[in-house]
Amino acid sequence: ETGVTQTPRHLVMGMTNKKSLKCEQHLGHNAMYWYKQSAKKPLELMFVYNFKEQTENNSVPSRFSPECPNSSHLFLHLHTLQPEDSALYLCASSQGLAETYEQYFGPGTRLTVT
Amino acid sequence: GQNIDQPTEMTATEGAIVQINCTYQTSGFNGLFWYQQHAGEAPTFLSYNVLDGLEEKGRFSSFLSRSKGYSYLLLKELQMKDSASYLCAVLDSNYQLIWGAGTKLIIKP
Repeated sequence: ETGVTQTPRHLVMGMTNKKSLKCEQHLGHNAMYWYKQSAKKPLELMFVYNFKEQTENNSVPSRFSPECPNSSHLFLHLHTLQPEDSALYLCASSQGLAETYEQYFGPGTRLTVT
Repeated sequence: GQNIDQPTEMTATEGAIVQINCTYQTSGFNGLFWYQQHAGEAPTFLSYNVLDGLEEKGRFSSFLSRSKGYSYLLLKELQMKDSASYLCAVLDSNYQLIWGAGTKLIIKP
């Protein structure tokens, strides 16, 4: 257990569905991240939040919509996804945004888009 | 562009030593991380190097040469539980983490 939880762990959705991924960290960290992990590819940083404010949006399609209501919770809202969006979505948190703080990852949500 | 290179897969024998290499080309450098990721689990932090040299932590050691853009992770006395993917990541000048694709390490009895 790393102190970062994600739900659901597995999700299968059709291209017309709307679903949300949830992440919660119990570490008192100020920064939270969404990553996409596809097989044999580097982790892709999607969004970064620092003190609830979005600081990074790495050219992510608008069908992915993040929400950070407080420093402990992070959501990723999904709608009209494509099959190529099937991947492992990882949430992470760190004490701070910059410098050398290590990131603590959740177990991920395995998403399959049919 | 920014690039992190590491071998896709390596195989080693239980009880042996294995070295996983990572070379990087990034815009600036503020440190290099190694993470371990078991199949179906979250990546977990192993080490952080910002100065040249070797950092030892139990059976695992991490080495950095900034002039060569090179790091390695050394695993000694390999155990079956060390079978996992090992991810190299560099913190660039904007404090963005640039990730490698990971090295899948297979340990055989």
